Amino acid sequence: DAGVIQSPRHEVTEMGQEVTLRCKPISGHDYLFWYRQTMMRGLELLIYFNNNVPIDDSGMPEDRFSAKMPNASFSTLKIQPSEPRDSAVYFCASTDRLSGANVLTFGAGSRLTVL
Amino acid sequence: GNSVTQMEGPVTLSEEAFLTINCTYTATGYPSLFWYVQYPGEGLQLLLKATKADDKGSNKGFEATYRKETTSFHLEKGSVQVSDSAVYFCALSNNQGGKLIFGQGTELSVKP
Repeated sequence: DAGVIQSPRHEVTEMGQEVTLRCKPISGHDYLFWYRQTMMRGLELLIYFNNNVPIDDSGMPEDRFSAKMPNASFSTLKIQPSEPRDSAVYFCASTDRLSGANVLTFGAGSRLTVL
Repeated sequence: GNSVTQMEGPVTLSEEAFLTINCTYTATGYPSLFWYVQYPGEGLQLLLKATKADDKGSNKGFEATYRKETTSFHLEKGSVQVSDSAVYFCALSNNQGGKLIFGQGTELSVKP
């Protein structure tokens, strides 16, 4: 398996633009997580899904952020409109109960810079 | 609520030195505990884990023991290498739906 695949790896955009980050989890994993990493706040859980259904979105900062998982092999995190304070590395991770719940496999991350 | 506190970094050591990175937690019930490692430019990888009190997790020369009485899960290695330079994250889960709560991370730099 190629692991968790995220795209784009780097994104530079201007304030006010829409940003879409993409994630392909490991085949067969039924949990998918979106984390954000910044120097100031460390790793923050934004939202997670189980069987494509959002379970906990309490970490989503505000209405500008939205996440979807239309099927078991794809998820998106969208920011609209983007702001400079959204600059961070966004990680997607997946797992399943059979392999040991909480043993997350992370993607390489998407580094977002909002000017 | 559940939380994890790690010693602040960066930690700078010489090769072959002994490493300890402190981690304490606050949680209800009986959480599972983890150490993840992040090498430069990469995502996090599981380093080791322990699921119940007095369990010892170990991997690649690293060890950590789940101490319920002191609510701690300190990471240790007897002899670090330059290749161990990375950011180390302590994490816990109360085993509800796979949700992990991470500490703030500790950067380790090992000099030749």
